[in-house]
Amino acid sequence: EVQLVESGGGLVQPGGSLRLSCAASGFTFSSYWMHWVRQVPGTGLVWVSHINNDGSDTKYADTVKGRFTISRDNAKNTLYLQMNSLRAEDTAVYYCARHGSGSGISFDSWGQGTRVTVSS
Amino acid sequence: YELTQPPSVSVSPGQTASITCSGDKLGDKYACWYQQKPGQSPVLVIYQDSKRPSGIPERFSGSNSGNTATLTISWAQPMDEADYYCQAWDSTTVVFGGGTKLTVL
Repeated sequence: EVQLVESGGGLVQPGGSLRLSCAASGFTFSSYWMHWVRQVPGTGLVWVSHINNDGSDTKYADTVKGRFTISRDNAKNTLYLQMNSLRAEDTAVYYCARHGSGSGISFDSWGQGTRVTVSS
Repeated sequence: YELTQPPSVSVSPGQTASITCSGDKLGDKYACWYQQKPGQSPVLVIYQDSKRPSGIPERFSGSNSGNTATLTISWAQPMDEADYYCQAWDSTTVVFGGGTKLTVL
């Protein structure tokens, strides 16, 4: 069974940093692209970033480019999101998601999410 | 790039619900759909326009042509009540629609 378990969320002051982790199990982690998606409670889903299977290629939403860094450790089956210079508008539940099969981009498995609150 | 969904759709149990997702030349891209129930993570219900992941009931189907992708839920059940999001890839970024709340009553 595919499992994705996020951790590392919490309360941080504006301008601060957090590192989110996503522990993967039940599949060959190193074979899959991975993504981070966030959601302000009560509102819609917003893609944040993705990374290819060996970590050599990454992409970011314009709203986080230059502040967030996605990475992975295939030996530890873990995905990361380093978030710096955090802003109030980064407050959200952050999900890691596995890139699905087929053409186009879809997310076929999601974690339970970790909540990030940016507030003084 | 933007994807537009109706905020809400209502359907009676046993009837067919259709949820639309509009975007410029969306038919030239691949669309997918997610179901999200309160307090839960999203679940992929349709990918690559019309394919169903393993475990998704045949009642869920999808199509994509022109500027509109459509999620169709046949024989709607109370358990289908949820938020539904469309999503597409626009060459450099992943875009989600704003979501549609499906009410089954």
